[in-house]
Amino acid sequence: ETGVTQSPTHLIKTRGQQVTLRCSSQSGHNTVSWYQQALGQGPQFIFQYYREEENGRGNFPPRFSGLQFPNYSSELNVNALELDDSALYLCASSLNQGALETQYFGPGTRLLVL
Amino acid sequence: GDSVTQMEGPVTLSEEAFLTINCTYTATGYPSLFWYVQYPGEGLQLLLKATKADDKGSNKGFEATYRKETTSFHLEKGSVQVSDSAVYFCALSDNYGQNFVFGPGTRLSVLP
Repeated sequence: ETGVTQSPTHLIKTRGQQVTLRCSSQSGHNTVSWYQQALGQGPQFIFQYYREEENGRGNFPPRFSGLQFPNYSSELNVNALELDDSALYLCASSLNQGALETQYFGPGTRLLVL
Repeated sequence: GDSVTQMEGPVTLSEEAFLTINCTYTATGYPSLFWYVQYPGEGLQLLLKATKADDKGSNKGFEATYRKETTSFHLEKGSVQVSDSAVYFCALSDNYGQNFVFGPGTRLSVLP
């Protein structure tokens, strides 16, 4: 069974650019959540996708957007990058939506905005 | 909004010592509560969870009890090992699992 994978592992962008991060969910999982983890802090919930639709959103501006595909893989897009967007971006998948479902986290993509 | 507060680290203990990491939360309704662990060089893993008041989550010798009256979910282990060295995150989610809130994490170092 393949776990949650993310690509790329590292990325460097400049302010104002756009970035797309990718996540492959664990086999059979239909729910994907994205988090931003700044250095030395806990993950902050960006949004969740369930069966290709956004299912919940944290306190992030609209320039953070996402997609989920029919195979349940997902993308996180960030437009107009700012220096404060530098962080580790984590993807987590779960078998289904709901508070009782265990989330399985990927290794993350480390984004540096210069 | 919902929030989670954890004791600041780092926490340094000797092997076989008793561990407590405090966690308190603020939330509307009746959230589910979690402890996640991040071992060096690895991704976040669920350690234990509790979904209603007075529930006790347990795993790998760690325990935490959902205390609604004190809005707390303190993590405990009776005898820590060097292999328990990691960063521990307390977290909550709403009833629908559509909004997760993590605490800032507590780094634990266990010395032989």
